[in-house]
Amino acid sequence: DAGVIQSPRHEVTEMGQEVTLRCKPISGHDYLFWYRQTMMRGLELLIYFNNNVPIDDSGMPEDRFSAKMPNASFSTLKIQPSEPRDSAVYFCASSPGARSNDYEQYFGPGTRLTVT
Amino acid sequence: KNEVEQSPQNLTAQEGEFITINCSYSVGISALHWLQQHPGGGIVSLFMLSSGKKKHGRLIATINIQEKHSSLHITASHPRDSAVYICAVGYGNKLVFGAGTILRVKS
Repeated sequence: DAGVIQSPRHEVTEMGQEVTLRCKPISGHDYLFWYRQTMMRGLELLIYFNNNVPIDDSGMPEDRFSAKMPNASFSTLKIQPSEPRDSAVYFCASSPGARSNDYEQYFGPGTRLTVT
Repeated sequence: KNEVEQSPQNLTAQEGEFITINCSYSVGISALHWLQQHPGGGIVSLFMLSSGKKKHGRLIATINIQEKHSSLHITASHPRDSAVYICAVGYGNKLVFGAGTILRVKS
C-alpha cells in the first residue's frame, strides 16, 4: 500500500484566500484524522471520521475550518478565509479500527501551509 | 482535561548510550502511543500499548497504568535515532499529544 497520501505537500497563499488540503487514507481503514502541528501548540486533533462520518470536530478552531469525507478514499480540510495564524503543518492519519482490532494510526507526510 | 507531560524536553547522547524518555498523564486512558518525527517532518508510530511492555529491535516501551506513566527506552543509541519522540494518550480514537522530546545522538 502507498500509505496515507496528502496533497499538496506545500502551500503558500495570501491572507483571505481559500485553502483546500486533501487526503487519501490507506485502503480499508475505517478512521481518518486531521491534525495540525505548530511550534507553539504542538500536535492537535482537529477532527476525525469513522466510516466517512464526522465523529468529533471539537478541535476545529473556528467556523473558517471545515472538513468533509465524501467517500472512504478521500477527505478534504478547507480553510476559508485563511489567516496568517493558520500557518502550520497539517497531517492526515488513518487507522484500521474495530474490524481489524487495530487502532494504530498511520500518518501522511503532511502539508506545510504558509499564509502571508 | 488530560495533561501529557514529557521529559526531558531535549536530550543529547553519545552513540551507544542507553536512552530513556518519560511520559506522564493525568487521567485514565485507553492506550498510549509513542511516535517518532524525523527532521524531514514525517511521523511514524513506534508503539501503541495499554499495559506492560513492548519491544521492537532496540526500542522498548513500558507503561504503568496505576502510576499513569510510560517510558521509551533506546538501547545502543545511534545517530540515526536523532528525532523528536512524541507521547500521545488515547481516549478511544482521540489522541492528546505531549510536547515531544528532541533527541540528538552524537557519533
